[in-house]
Amino acid sequence: AQTVTQSQPEMSVQEAETVTLSCTYDTSENNYYLFWYKQPPSRQMILVIRQEAYKQQNATENRFSVNFQKAAKSFSLKISDSQLGDTAMYFCALRNAGNMLTFGGGTRLMVKP
Amino acid sequence: EPEVTQTPSHQVTQMGQEVILRCVPISNHLYFYWYRQILGQKVEFLVSFYNNEISEKSEIFDDQFSVERPDGSNFTLKIRSTKLEDSAMYFCASSEVQGGKTQYFGPGTRLLVL
Repeated sequence: AQTVTQSQPEMSVQEAETVTLSCTYDTSENNYYLFWYKQPPSRQMILVIRQEAYKQQNATENRFSVNFQKAAKSFSLKISDSQLGDTAMYFCALRNAGNMLTFGGGTRLMVKP
Repeated sequence: EPEVTQTPSHQVTQMGQEVILRCVPISNHLYFYWYRQILGQKVEFLVSFYNNEISEKSEIFDDQFSVERPDGSNFTLKIRSTKLEDSAMYFCASSEVQGGKTQYFGPGTRLLVL
C-alpha cells in the first residue's frame, strides 16, 4: 500500500513571500510519479506540478518548484512570490504504475495581503 | 484548452434513491477515473476505466456503484441506493495513457444525500 502524508494542515504567507509545503510518501515501487494539485474555494482540482521519480532534476513551473528527495521520500512544493490567488488547499499525490492517485490530507494555504 | 466537464454541479437526493453523475472526459483521453472527497477529508480513489471495462477499483467501490461509457463522449457513475455517507464531492478525471501521465480533473459534482 502507498501512503502520502502532509504534516502541515494550515499555513500562511505574506503576499510576495516564499512558502514551502511539505509532503512525505511511502511506496514499495521504484517507478512512480508525484503531483501537487491545488483546490481553490470552488473545489476544482487543478494540477500545479508533476515529478517523475526517475528524474533527478527537480520540476519547475513558473513560480512553483519542488524539492524531490527520493531517498528520504520527500516531495515539497515551493511557491515563490506568493499571490493572493494562490490561496487554496494544496494536495500532494502519488501515482505508481497503476491507475490510482493516492492523495495526502492537504495543506490549507492562506496568502495574506 | 480542452477540459473535463461534469454535470450536474450540485445534486440533492433522498436516501435510497439512485443517482447518476455524468462526466465528459477530454476527447483524446483513453483512461477515465472517479474520485470522491467527503467534506474535510482526503480525496479518495473509486475506480478507473479503460477500453470499456473497469481496470482498477478501491474498497469503497462496492456493488452500489457502477460506471459506464454509454456513448463515445460520456462517462457516468451510478449509485444505486444512496446512503447518507455517500454525501461528498465526486470528481471525474481523465488521462491520455496509463502509468504516469497526468490525470486532469473536472470541476466536481457536489452530492448531498438527505
